[in-house]
Amino acid sequence: GQQLNQSPQSMFIQEGEDVSMNCTSSSIFNTWLWYKQDPGEGPVLLIALYKAGELTSNGRLTAQFGITRKDSFLNISASIPSDVGIYFCAGRSGGSEKLVFGKGTKLTVNP
Amino acid sequence: NAGVTQTPKFQVLKTGQSMTLQCAQDMNHNSMYWYRQDPGMGLRLIYYSASEGTTDKGEVPNGYNVSRLNKREFSLRLESAAPSQTSVYFCASGQVGPRAQYFGPGTRLLVL
Repeated sequence: GQQLNQSPQSMFIQEGEDVSMNCTSSSIFNTWLWYKQDPGEGPVLLIALYKAGELTSNGRLTAQFGITRKDSFLNISASIPSDVGIYFCAGRSGGSEKLVFGKGTKLTVNP
Repeated sequence: NAGVTQTPKFQVLKTGQSMTLQCAQDMNHNSMYWYRQDPGMGLRLIYYSASEGTTDKGEVPNGYNVSRLNKREFSLRLESAAPSQTSVYFCASGQVGPRAQYFGPGTRLLVL
C-alpha cells in the first residue's frame, strides 16, 4: 500500500530557531495536509495544499506541495515554546477518500 | 459551531464487553472517518463513510462495526473488546473530494 516517509522523527531546538520537516511518498498525491497534535488532543489542521508547486503560509508556518507531487515540506520560523507537539503530514491520491498519514515529527523547543 | 465532537472522552472496559463510541459533526460534511492512534503506529483508518448510507473498511477494520446514523453522526462499535483494542480513537469529517479532514478530540479506551 501507499507509504509516507516523514522526517525527521524528532527535533530538539532552541527558541527562536527555524524548523524544517518533510514528507515523501511512493506515489503521486493530489492533496497534502499538515496537522499538529498537542498531548491529549486531536490533530489540528495547519495547512492544506491542493496544487503541485503551491506554497502556502499560516502565520510563521509555510508549507509547499512538491512539483513532483510526491513530497511536501513544512517550515516553522522563529520557533516559540507553544510550537511543541507532534506534526503530521497526510496525503491523498486521486479518487481516494482515504488519507495516508506520516508517523509524525515530535518537536521540542527549549526556551 | 462545535466542529467534531466525540463521546465518551475516556472508557475502561473488561475483555469481552461491548461499547459504542459516538461521533457527531456540525460542518455539513459528507464524509466521516474513524481512526485509531497507537504509539509508533501513527493514525490508522478503521472505517469510513463517504456519504450517508454508505460505509467502507479501512486499514484495520477487524473487531469493529460502524453505523452512519445520519449525515451528522457516525458511530463505532466494539462488540467484544480485546486488550489489543486499547488505543486512542479519533473521528474525523470532511467534504467529498481532495479536501481536508477535521478531527475530534478523541476517546481514550483501555481494555483490561
